[in-house]
Amino acid sequence: DAGITQSPRYKITETGRQVTLMCHQTWSHSYMFWYRQDLGHGLRLIYYSAAADITDKGEVPDGYVVSRSKTENFPLTLESATRSQTSVYFCATYLAGEADTQYFGPGTRLTVL
Amino acid sequence: AQSVTQLGSHVSVSEGALVLLRCNYSSSVPPYLFWYVQYPNQGLQLLLKYTSAATLVKGINGFEAEFKKSETSFHLTKPSAHMSDAAEYFCAVSEGDYKLSFGAGTTVTVRA
Repeated sequence: DAGITQSPRYKITETGRQVTLMCHQTWSHSYMFWYRQDLGHGLRLIYYSAAADITDKGEVPDGYVVSRSKTENFPLTLESATRSQTSVYFCATYLAGEADTQYFGPGTRLTVL
Repeated sequence: AQSVTQLGSHVSVSEGALVLLRCNYSSSVPPYLFWYVQYPNQGLQLLLKYTSAATLVKGINGFEAEFKKSETSFHLTKPSAHMSDAAEYFCAVSEGDYKLSFGAGTTVTVRA
């Protein structure tokens, strides 16, 4: 039971390129989230989705785009990558009724040169 | 609105010594509180959570945390550190919905 998978696990790209980070869950949790983790900032919410075709901005959405056509997938796209988007990105899911417990994927380490 | 402050970005303890990680929160409603652990190159794993039941919460790997409303604190402790406890620890708060606010994290190193 894989739970949440993220791909790729590591990615190096160049400024201005488009990058898509994938997140897949084997459960049917309604909520999915994208966070970025930066030293000194903990985790900051980029975007979240309450269900398929329902997405909303989090704390730091600028420069990112999301979509959710299927419950199990929640890709995050950097339309034109910048060096400030170098970070570790985590996908998470949440099952309503489980006292707010979020489950996290293994993360994607993205470097923008 | 909720927020979390973790006191100390880095804690170093000797193997067998007490581990104490401090977390203070602010919340406009009774909070749900969490501690997550992140081992190197891994995602976050739930260590324990407080959801308005017992104020002393026991988690995995011998950790526990106590909710103190008067102090708005949720400090994490472990009586005897083990080398395998070396990791980064995050405190988080929720106001009863899906939104979590995280602290900046505390890195724990364990000296032999």
